[in-house]
Amino acid sequence: EDQVTQSPEALRLQEGESSSLNCSYTVSGLRGLFWYRQDPGKGPEFLFTLYSAGEEKEKERLKATLTKKESFLHITAPKPEDSATYLCAVSSGYSTLTFGKGTMLLVSP
Amino acid sequence: DARVTQTPRHKVTEMGQEVTMRCQPILGHNTVFWYRQTMMQGLELLAYFRNRAPLDDSGMPKDRFSAEMPDATLATLKIQPSEPRDSAVYFCASGLGSGRAYNEQFFGPGTRLTVL
Repeated sequence: EDQVTQSPEALRLQEGESSSLNCSYTVSGLRGLFWYRQDPGKGPEFLFTLYSAGEEKEKERLKATLTKKESFLHITAPKPEDSATYLCAVSSGYSTLTFGKGTMLLVSP
Repeated sequence: DARVTQTPRHKVTEMGQEVTMRCQPILGHNTVFWYRQTMMQGLELLAYFRNRAPLDDSGMPKDRFSAEMPDATLATLKIQPSEPRDSAVYFCASGLGSGRAYNEQFFGPGTRLTVL
């Protein structure tokens, strides 16, 4: 059974204070690792897909990296608008995703 | 701007009533998913379809939940009878189901269900 554990559960940063979110996973044959952003009252918004260890992807202040056991979402010089819950998910099958419980990020001005 | 749409956005009902939630997937997507999100459990997959055929509904309490795709532009999730423990946000997601990005999923805004 696929498992995803995200840490920390919550993270509070000052604007401009860089940090990383962690996603540890156990999966039998990774077909993709996914990062989503979820704002309160909204559906998860797709950010990145990573397929193999060593792969990196960037979008604005976010950079996602992947190893064989975990993924990191690095946030560089965050702004208050980066405040959201960040969800990690893995796929080992043909369509379904297994999600972690998320990291709630709050960036204060 | 292609998006998944869901109706209603909010639903408050009495225990025992039937609830129907609707989803319009992104045009051209052939996989559709229903999820339930709660604070305790996070996002849980209830059911999914490929080319309108149900592939897996093992996440659903089958005695009260049912999911269908009457056509390629409409997916429905029904709860009958509803119970207070069904209170949650229900999300629909759709995906291309082909190519390298075959398992990327795009979510709708959700239906917040409250069963009193």
